[in-house]
Amino acid sequence: DIQMTQSPSSLSASVGDRVTITCRASQSISIYLNWYQQKPGKAPKLLIQAASNLQSGVPSRFSGSGSGTDFTLTISSLQPEDFATYYCQQSYTLPRTFGLGTKLEIK
Amino acid sequence: EVQLVESGGGLVKPGGSLKLSCVLSGFTFSDVWMGWVRQAPGMGLEWVGRIKRKIDGGTTDYGAAVKGRFTISRDDSKNTLYLQMNSLKTEDTGMYYCTTDSGGRTVITALDSWGQGTLVTVSS
Repeated sequence: DIQMTQSPSSLSASVGDRVTITCRASQSISIYLNWYQQKPGKAPKLLIQAASNLQSGVPSRFSGSGSGTDFTLTISSLQPEDFATYYCQQSYTLPRTFGLGTKLEIK
Repeated sequence: EVQLVESGGGLVKPGGSLKLSCVLSGFTFSDVWMGWVRQAPGMGLEWVGRIKRKIDGGTTDYGAAVKGRFTISRDDSKNTLYLQMNSLKTEDTGMYYCTTDSGGRTVITALDSWGQGTLVTVSS
């Protein structure tokens, strides 16, 4: 199985900060990488598909990049509603696997 | 607007069975691949499995932890996805989310819609 490693596991930041979350795959997955956001008590929501394609309705302050084994999710200017847990997931092969998540907290 | 509504969760003893359902609205059910993802309390996301649409063969795939114990099926006439869970273990406890899978619609697949989840507790 492909292992997905996210860093950091948690992050404290302030409104207005620029934040970057990293996801590394245990083998090359091209751009078969998706990002999800999960708020407490809620279902996850797809943010970015295929490494950099923002889903409809997702604010442009979110962006994704990378290919191969290394990927990043960047939030250019944190807003209060962005404090959540973020997961990466590979769709290169079966079984689909997720990173352990990055919890973004208010400083 | 796509909406997924799960049901069927509850408390079951180890070794028991449970069947979850998920109804899709806002999209043509027979056109979509569907799947299940679970989340143990306080933990991350785990892919359970998926089922393709019939024109793509209607085949199923499972994660290793549930293979041979869980079965995913679909009834296109009822817009409903099922997850039959047998030989349940305490480690199967968690929230079970129904998802649409963009396979068959996009080259690089993603889980593009999610239900609110249904809680399964396996305990004696």
